[in-house]
Amino acid sequence: KQEVTQIPAALSVPEGENLVLNCSFTDSAIYNLQWFRQDPGKGLTSLLLIQSSQREQTSGRLNASLDKSSGRSTLYIAASQPGDSATYLCAVTGMKTSYDKVIFGPGTSLSVIP
Amino acid sequence: DTAVSQTPKYLVTQMGNDKSIKCEQNLGHDTMYWYKQDSKKFLKIMFSYNNKELIINETVPNRFSPKSPDKAHLNLHINSLELGDSAVYFCASSQAGIYGYTFGSGTRLTVV
Repeated sequence: KQEVTQIPAALSVPEGENLVLNCSFTDSAIYNLQWFRQDPGKGLTSLLLIQSSQREQTSGRLNASLDKSSGRSTLYIAASQPGDSATYLCAVTGMKTSYDKVIFGPGTSLSVIP
Repeated sequence: DTAVSQTPKYLVTQMGNDKSIKCEQNLGHDTMYWYKQDSKKFLKIMFSYNNKELIINETVPNRFSPKSPDKAHLNLHINSLELGDSAVYFCASSQAGIYGYTFGSGTRLTVV
């Protein structure tokens, strides 16, 4: 059974710092891994999607890497801003699941202090 | 244009009532989903549905039933609402899950 964990659960950094969020998954048989952002009381916004054949994806100040064999992904945020404050969720789409579903991690709550 | 839209955004209702939440996607995706986000903010899948198949998470009570009038819509109907059903429900869509998922903005259900 696929399990997804995220470390740390919460993170508080001063504005301008670079930071790394971690995601781990137990079953490496995945189609893809997706990073989302969720603002309080809001829906999920897709940030980056990494297919299983890819090693990384970049969008602006965000860079996500994937090491499928070790079951790990990182989300790197450069030059953090207060507007980056949100909960970041990683989600994997597995190949071996009984149905086409994405399994979410519990999220990392990020607070960027001005 | 909203890619995945849900209505209503907020729903407050009494125990025992029956309610529906609507979801529509204009992305041409072939699969739609319902997720539940509980008070601890953890997201769990409830249903996965495409033209051919409805797949149900076995932990979902049978009071919950998805209804799809067409490929672009997947509504969630809940019978005999209970206090524990209070949560945020998210609709999502994908093209066979291969190219990622797009989520709606959620429906906050409060059962009193």
